[in-house]
Amino acid sequence: GAVVSQHPSWVICKSGTSVKIECRSLDFQATTMFWYRQFPKQSLMLMATSNEGSKATYEQGVEKDKFLINHASLTLSTLTVTSAHPEDSSFYICSARRPTGESSYNEQFFGPGTRLTVL
Amino acid sequence: AQTVTQSQPEMSVQEAETVTLSCTYDTSENNYYLFWYKQPPSRQMILVIRQEAYKQQNATENRFSVNFQKAAKSFSLKISDSQLGDTAMYFCAFMKQSGSYQLTFGKGTKLSVIP
Repeated sequence: GAVVSQHPSWVICKSGTSVKIECRSLDFQATTMFWYRQFPKQSLMLMATSNEGSKATYEQGVEKDKFLINHASLTLSTLTVTSAHPEDSSFYICSARRPTGESSYNEQFFGPGTRLTVL
Repeated sequence: AQTVTQSQPEMSVQEAETVTLSCTYDTSENNYYLFWYKQPPSRQMILVIRQEAYKQQNATENRFSVNFQKAAKSFSLKISDSQLGDTAMYFCAFMKQSGSYQLTFGKGTKLSVIP
């Protein structure tokens, strides 16, 4: 159990267009999901924390108008990169927290990531 | 705020040998969790091992074990009988026991297992 999927796994888009990335918890309900960005050969940088039914909390320096996050259900969070530019090219990873009270405590389960290339 | 430091950007180990990856952290919290994650070339993050700060006993998962020194704020990972499949980036991570449940990652250590 505890599988998190991301779609698409790889996307190429033109500069100025918007791209939506989906993160789904397949076999559990995730009240909290997290979005990370990872540059080549670097660590994961937390972009925002997404709670179901409420506005996302963005980390300092992350443009909320550029990176729109929606957590409309307990199994789906989306990240939309608006008006993408080449500098937005990166690897985006989501994770989902399974609430306490279930078998695992506060473990985060990670999606396989989405590689975004903006031309 | 919490910080996690991994001072070894790259390491290598001979197959079947033992290697230890270092991690130190800084926090004012008393209750927290520590993790080691593995990120192979596929880039899927995989939990290797976790440690609850209130537990004095070091966590062990098969060939993976930790040396948790709470007073020294040190959390090293030992990989025994290294296998080629252990080749990956390894990230040390910290999570407070309450609050937002955010993970704070170190910069990672690239481990190469040499046949």
